[in-house]
Amino acid sequence: KQEVTQIPAALSVPEGENLVLNCSFTDSAIYNLQWFRQDPGKGLTSLLLIQSSQREQTSGRLNASLDKSSGRSTLYIAASQPGDSATYLCAVEMTTDSWGKLQFGAGTQVVVTP
Amino acid sequence: ETGVTQSPTHLIKTRGQQVTLRCSSQSGHNTVSWYQQALGQGPQFIFQYYREEENGRGNFPPRFSGLQFPNYSSELNVNALELDDSALYLCASSLEARGADTQYFGPGTRLTVL
Repeated sequence: KQEVTQIPAALSVPEGENLVLNCSFTDSAIYNLQWFRQDPGKGLTSLLLIQSSQREQTSGRLNASLDKSSGRSTLYIAASQPGDSATYLCAVEMTTDSWGKLQFGAGTQVVVTP
Repeated sequence: ETGVTQSPTHLIKTRGQQVTLRCSSQSGHNTVSWYQQALGQGPQFIFQYYREEENGRGNFPPRFSGLQFPNYSSELNVNALELDDSALYLCASSLEARGADTQYFGPGTRLTVL
């Protein structure tokens, strides 16, 4: 049974620092991994999607890496800004599922202080 | 702005009642998935519909049911509401059932069961 874990549960950094968010999963038979952002009481916004054959994806200040063999993904956010304050969730899709079911971690709540 | 809308935004029901939540997917998206997100948790997969047929189901009882219509709208119905059904309900649409394509989430419906 796949388990997706995100540590830490909460993180507070001063503006300008780089953010490093961790996601681990127990079953490496993943089809892909996605990072999402969720603002309070709102839906999810997809940030980056990494296919299982890829090692990383980049978009602007965001970079996500994937190490399937060790069951880990890391989301890096460079030069954090107060607007980056949100909850960040990772989710995996399994090759063993016959549909696009996402399995989520509980998220890391990030606060960037001015 | 993802183009996925949900209604209503908030809803309060009492235990034992029935509720219908609605989602309007992006035009052309054949797949809609529904998730339940309890406070402080990651979303949990309820089920997915592909071209108006149920395409997979998570660990939710039969009192959770759904419909998908040809006009890219869909419904989540919950019968015999329980207190634990209080959560944010999210729908997500994508072109195909497999996650090579990003899933686009709506803003959610906050359901409170008293």
